[in-house]
Amino acid sequence: DAGITQSPRHKVTETGTPVTLRCHQTENHRYMYWYRQDPGHGLRLIHYSYGVKDTDKGEVSDGYSVSRSKTEDFLLTLESATSSQTSVYFCAISDGDPRTSPLHFGNGTRLTVT
Amino acid sequence: RKEVEQDPGPFNVPEGATVAFNCTYSNSASQSFFWYRQDCRKEPKLLMSVYSSGNEDGRFTAQLNRASQYISLLIRDSKLSDSATYLCVVNIFGNEKLTFGTGTRLTIIP
Repeated sequence: DAGITQSPRHKVTETGTPVTLRCHQTENHRYMYWYRQDPGHGLRLIHYSYGVKDTDKGEVSDGYSVSRSKTEDFLLTLESATSSQTSVYFCAISDGDPRTSPLHFGNGTRLTVT
Repeated sequence: RKEVEQDPGPFNVPEGATVAFNCTYSNSASQSFFWYRQDCRKEPKLLMSVYSSGNEDGRFTAQLNRASQYISLLIRDSKLSDSATYLCVVNIFGNEKLTFGTGTRLTIIP
């Protein structure tokens, strides 16, 4: 399995609080992604990164920011958590063209915003 | 129309049977196709890529039908361990990333 670690695995937080999720990889892959998965919607891309300090928005980026200061770490921040951000968050990595290369996922973070 | 569409199921299939399901995609210029499996409360894992000529990996066969814009996954001699949700993933032309279907749930019954 690809070396991807997400932390925390579970988190419960209150509306309005900031939350940061961490993704750490040991594969030295260039591309890293944050997805959320909700019933009926499948996996939706939040943000992605194609290198250190190079990030871009996905289809559901509102309310989220990311940072990548090192190849191995990709952080997802919810500046002010809302109940609609209750979801399962997956980090993924790939080593090639994002349009054609398969993704390898971390084991997810379950976030509940009360 | 959704960019990538799958029958959500559930498909309840007896052990040993053959099962197949399809995934349709909206953009005829799509180039990359994959099947992932996802176990309950786990991360998606790559099952197989789908090539234009079709490809096989053990009991699993993937095919691409460009004319009708769908990919298929066939599972032969199904095992209890095949119970999972199967996600179709497509590169939608014009998007820089892959697009996921919502998945088809498969349950193999003893």
